Amino acid sequence: KNEVEQSPQNLTAQEGEFITINCSYSVGISALHWLQQHPGGGIVSLFMLSSGKKKHGRLIATINIQEKHSSLHITASHPRDSAVYICAVPSESNTGKLIFGQGTTLQVKP
Amino acid sequence: NAGVMQNPRHLVRRRGQEARLRCSPMKGHSHVYWYRQLPEEGLKFMVYLQKENIIDESGMPKERFSAEFPKEGPSILRIQQVVRGDSAAYFCASSPSGNGETQYFGPGTRLLVL
Repeated sequence: KNEVEQSPQNLTAQEGEFITINCSYSVGISALHWLQQHPGGGIVSLFMLSSGKKKHGRLIATINIQEKHSSLHITASHPRDSAVYICAVPSESNTGKLIFGQGTTLQVKP
Repeated sequence: NAGVMQNPRHLVRRRGQEARLRCSPMKGHSHVYWYRQLPEEGLKFMVYLQKENIIDESGMPKERFSAEFPKEGPSILRIQQVVRGDSAAYFCASSPSGNGETQYFGPGTRLLVL
């Protein structure tokens, strides 16, 4: 069993739809990261959160530490949101190295 | 403040050659992580370095791969005698300290082994 699992693996939405990507993890963590990888390949850190909820523009990330689950929501989705969204958690080795989910490929159609 | 820089962005090597990938962390960051993304696979940790020290190399293949982060200059990931299976995107990330805080990723180096 992977330590970090994301669902769905692929997601196609129409412009304007509300999108949810889920992440479950099996290790104990202090914080969880959401990353975005664009078609060109560059990786951007979207959020790091350890509790509750964070919001940045149309992006919202939530985490439930007890249930070991996090969600990334995109409101009013737009074609430029098309990317791979990756959930990552620090390993229990406490060195800061990240363990990544397989990613969710999102395509938003106009 | 420039972000994390990696070069080259694309590297083509023939089997048996050496590949050297460079990573300059953000200013003020002394912690560097290297990750590899094989085709159609997720990101995997390779090695974690601080200046002049390898802290965790548990993700490095046992042979042909090495990494360093000298006192001066960029971090280097070196792959000797490359094979086709080394073709991948190699990302480095840096952070001010290695306690699980936000890591800033470079643009990656795409290595293609012919």
